[in-house]
Amino acid sequence: AQSVTQLGSHVSVSEGALVLLRCNYSSSVPPYLFWYVQYPNQGLQLLLKYTTGATLVKGINGFEAEFKKSETSFHLTKPSAHMSDAAEYFCAVAMEYGNKLVFGAGTILRVKS
Amino acid sequence: EAQVTQNPRYLITVTGKKLTVTCSQNMNHEYMSWYRQDPGLGLRQIYYSMNVEVTDKGDVPEGYKVSRKEKRNFPLILESPSPNQTSLYFCASSKGTGTSTDTQYFGPGTRLTVL
Repeated sequence: AQSVTQLGSHVSVSEGALVLLRCNYSSSVPPYLFWYVQYPNQGLQLLLKYTTGATLVKGINGFEAEFKKSETSFHLTKPSAHMSDAAEYFCAVAMEYGNKLVFGAGTILRVKS
Repeated sequence: EAQVTQNPRYLITVTGKKLTVTCSQNMNHEYMSWYRQDPGLGLRQIYYSMNVEVTDKGDVPEGYKVSRKEKRNFPLILESPSPNQTSLYFCASSKGTGTSTDTQYFGPGTRLTVL
């Protein structure tokens, strides 16, 4: 069975600092990988996804993630945090068929001024 | 505006009182799904539907029912709610019927409290 592990349920960074949110997955076959963001009192919104091709994926709001098969990782980064980035971030994995997403437990990002 | 809507957004009820949470999408999507979100557990799939009249269980289907009589609607039914169903519920939809690369679009959530 697939699983997703997000290291750190809470991450705190200063405004302007690097954001790094970690995600590792377990899968016996190449997966499709997603990062979603949930702002307070809202539904989830897609940040970016990896399906095939280039392993460095760029998303909205300056975020990017790199698929590293050898490390089974898909960490999310942003060079410079903004106050508006404060939210909960979810990593998710999907297999080739079925549309089923398996989510990690989420990481709450706090941005300090 | 393309969107997934859910109603109600907030609901407080008592054990055993049947309730329905509605979900509707206006994007002509084939696939719809229900998730529940609990602290420290992320989102877990309850039921999903690949098309009209086609539904299947997700990871945590016990205590829930769904139906898909129309393409746009996918209501979640709790016949006899219990306190362990207190949670935040999300409906989602996507274009394809079996392609996992599709982006899922989420509704705003329904916060349910069962006393």
